[in-house]
Amino acid sequence: GQQLNQSPQSMFIQEGEDVSMNCTSSSIFNTWLWYKQEPGEGPVLLIALYKAGELTSNGRLTAQFGITRKDSFLNISASIPSDVGIYFCAGHSNDYKLSFGAGTTVTVRA
Amino acid sequence: DGGITQSPKYLFRKEGQNVTLSCEQNLNHDAMYWYRQDPGQGLRLIYYSQIVNDFQKGDIAEGYSVSREKKESFPLTVTSAQKNPTAFYLCASTGRAGDGYTFGSGTRLTVV
Repeated sequence: GQQLNQSPQSMFIQEGEDVSMNCTSSSIFNTWLWYKQEPGEGPVLLIALYKAGELTSNGRLTAQFGITRKDSFLNISASIPSDVGIYFCAGHSNDYKLSFGAGTTVTVRA
Repeated sequence: DGGITQSPKYLFRKEGQNVTLSCEQNLNHDAMYWYRQDPGQGLRLIYYSQIVNDFQKGDIAEGYSVSREKKESFPLTVTSAQKNPTAFYLCASTGRAGDGYTFGSGTRLTVV
């Protein structure tokens, strides 16, 4: 499937900081999704976005579906040690497959 | 509770051997997927199946084979033709791709 451009590739964050990551695509998507993967486990769905401009929160996480339908961002507020992991964006257009970003690896400095 | 189960969690294989990874779901999902994950490379699609008795190659199908004889099950065989099989393998399923996938907890395969 088409690869999304996800950035940054990795980040070191201070506990308590707010951080942001984003995904862009050359194609339009109907759905944007954000997953978190912890070491040795499968990704878990954090947030799903279904409409251009939509802003959705899940606890300290906030994600937005870009107006152009070609991008999305995820914010984590007030980082804590358990935020460590790999965050993936994914987009869906019209078939049975998702396109995934390469992931953002988050490491928290205590 | 509904979910998707991969087994075993860790698997060791000698070079030249075929090995089969199990994936079972009780979510009544039509579509199932296999991904390979290497460090720093994200998720790469191996095979997927939208319906029983039908499956399609993904981006890196060479050296792998699958079957879909039952809706609940989508086993992946890593054959001796796969040149670099050591990786983390993830199975996923969905009723509707736009709703996102449910992933299993993965199988780490190591060739010794």
